[in-house]
Amino acid sequence: ELKVEQNPLFLSMQEGKNYTIYCNYSTTSDRLYWYRQDPGKSLESLFVLLSNGAVKQEGRLMASLDTKARLSTLHITAAVHDLSATYFCAVDTDSNYQLIWGAGTKLIIKP
Amino acid sequence: EAQVTQNPRYLITVTGKKLTVTCSQNMNHEYMSWYRQDPGLGLRQIYYSMNVEVTDKGDVPEGYKVSRKEKRNFPLILESPSPNQTSLYFCASSLSGRGRARYNYGYTFGSGTRLTVV
Repeated sequence: ELKVEQNPLFLSMQEGKNYTIYCNYSTTSDRLYWYRQDPGKSLESLFVLLSNGAVKQEGRLMASLDTKARLSTLHITAAVHDLSATYFCAVDTDSNYQLIWGAGTKLIIKP
Repeated sequence: EAQVTQNPRYLITVTGKKLTVTCSQNMNHEYMSWYRQDPGLGLRQIYYSMNVEVTDKGDVPEGYKVSRKEKRNFPLILESPSPNQTSLYFCASSLSGRGRARYNYGYTFGSGTRLTVV
């Protein structure tokens, strides 16, 4: 059974600090997605990572994928309050065209 | 505007009363899917559809039905809702269910439907 684990599940941090969210998965896949969800809102696509070593950056967020370690990271640089949200990673499966989701990381950034 | 439209946004119903949540996309996407979101569990896939008249079960299909008679529409049907189906539901679509096109573009989500079954 494919499992996707995110760490931490909850993160409270100060503005200006750096931090990393980790996404581990249990089977081979070279396709991983990061999404953001604001309270009561839908899911917004942040990054699509399609190969080993892929690195993508958008503003203060940078995502990377290591398929050999089955690990993706979402790094936050100099956090600002607007980045407060819940962040999900999801892994694409080969067998049946499903996305398997992590439980989400709730990020609170305090001024 | 390219979008996935779900209706209704909020729904309160009673146990056993059949309901349908509609999902429509205007992007000519082949792949559509339904998820439910529960606290601490992330998103779990209910059903998905690779194209018209092609549907398959996800992780949690019990108690749900779907149909894909047209490319743009993918309704979710609860024939006899129960309180354990109280959840936040999302519809999503993607360009293709096969090949790199799907992977490159990811998925577009609807606004969600918050369902309460009492």
